[in-house]
Amino acid sequence: QQPVQSPQAVILREGEDAVINCSSSKALYSVHWYRQKHGEAPVFLMILLKGGEQKGHDKISASFNEKKQQSSLYLTASQLSYSGTYFCGTGNYGGATNKLIFGTGTLLAVQP
Amino acid sequence: GAVVSQHPSWVICKSGTSVKIECRSLDFQATTMFWYRQFPKQSLMLMATSNEGSKATYEQGVEKDKFLINHASLTLSTLTVTSAHPEDSSFYICSAAGGRTIEQYFGPGTRLTVT
Repeated sequence: QQPVQSPQAVILREGEDAVINCSSSKALYSVHWYRQKHGEAPVFLMILLKGGEQKGHDKISASFNEKKQQSSLYLTASQLSYSGTYFCGTGNYGGATNKLIFGTGTLLAVQP
Repeated sequence: GAVVSQHPSWVICKSGTSVKIECRSLDFQATTMFWYRQFPKQSLMLMATSNEGSKATYEQGVEKDKFLINHASLTLSTLTVTSAHPEDSSFYICSAAGGRTIEQYFGPGTRLTVT
């Protein structure tokens, strides 16, 4: 039931690109992406709603394919500050009571 | 984004005692708050969902008599870990959602260590 993320871990050099995938076995209404640094709470990155939309700000963007029940997070020209663990949170319906089930996580390390 | 606070940020307690953790939404009304637990190097596991003024909904496997949740107002939810044991040691994080948005904003977390 927990969404599966791939890869589990990735090491990049500054300026390189990365793609993180999130795959669910259930129909999705929304996908929420977060980044968590060690010992801190997750920080909200973006949310995608069903409709197959794509979103982005700065050098981070994401897509959502509701038919495939998958979402991907794209990090371009990575910076040191991008390091952390990325989680997707999947929701099955709309509204503020929409509980999220978090994926397995992807550890991203950006090196100078 | 919205601001959510948690208190305390860390707590050490003895086995058998109870610990209360507060979660506050500072600049918006949170109709729903969520409580998560995270063990080292693992994902966030949802414990319960609480709506203001009603009983919390617990996830399967979470003991509601052990983890007491109260959502007394639109800005405050509390989690009380009763009769804590060393296996309850974990990072507890709350999140809040409300209004027309379904984004969840997380508090900074509370690290609980039970000795």
